[in-house]
Amino acid sequence: GQQVMQIPQYQHVQEGEDFTTYCNSSTTLSNIQWYKQRPGGHPVFLIQLVKSGEVKKQKRLTFQFGEAKKNSSLHITATQTTDVGTYFCAGPVDSNYQLIWGAGTKLIIKP
Amino acid sequence: DGGITQSPKYLFRKEGQNVTLSCEQNLNHDAMYWYRQDPGQGLRLIYYSQIVNDFQKGDIAEGYSVSREKKESFPLTVTSAQKNPTAFYLCASSMGTGPYEQYFGPGTRLTVT
Repeated sequence: GQQVMQIPQYQHVQEGEDFTTYCNSSTTLSNIQWYKQRPGGHPVFLIQLVKSGEVKKQKRLTFQFGEAKKNSSLHITATQTTDVGTYFCAGPVDSNYQLIWGAGTKLIIKP
Repeated sequence: DGGITQSPKYLFRKEGQNVTLSCEQNLNHDAMYWYRQDPGQGLRLIYYSQIVNDFQKGDIAEGYSVSREKKESFPLTVTSAQKNPTAFYLCASSMGTGPYEQYFGPGTRLTVT
């Protein structure tokens, strides 16, 4: 069946360093969504990418959708403590737009 | 305030008991979803409903049941047939089926011993 793989599972960074998570689908996606889940919280929608090669920015966050619409990335510049959490990508699995989720990348700030 | 509420936040049950998790939304959304989250894993879809009085099985529906008698409400019952019920359960809603963002409730953490 369709899979969405997300790497790495964890990333430890010093505050101020950059962070990147990658998402790869086994099939072409019509769109991809990114969510953030703070520790003990629930997922919160960040952004949706629809077009091939699309790049969107939200302050220090940059989201990219690959040309083949099978991969995506989220890059955070100069991480802050408020960025701590798990970042998930999710893409529709069928025409009903039911989402299949990556396993998430946990951003950990080193003390 | 508009949003999704889930209750209770924590729930403890003994094996062999059925338990019902509540989910209510006042966003006027047509679609509602139940997900299960286990440590280190992504969200897995249990059931979803696109409209009142209709619902569909997700990837891991076995041992669960739902109802959608009102647009605002989508309760999930975890039955005794569910072999590993201890998990974090998240309810979500969206405007409809389509490329819409999903809004999540705060979740219910169920522990079965």
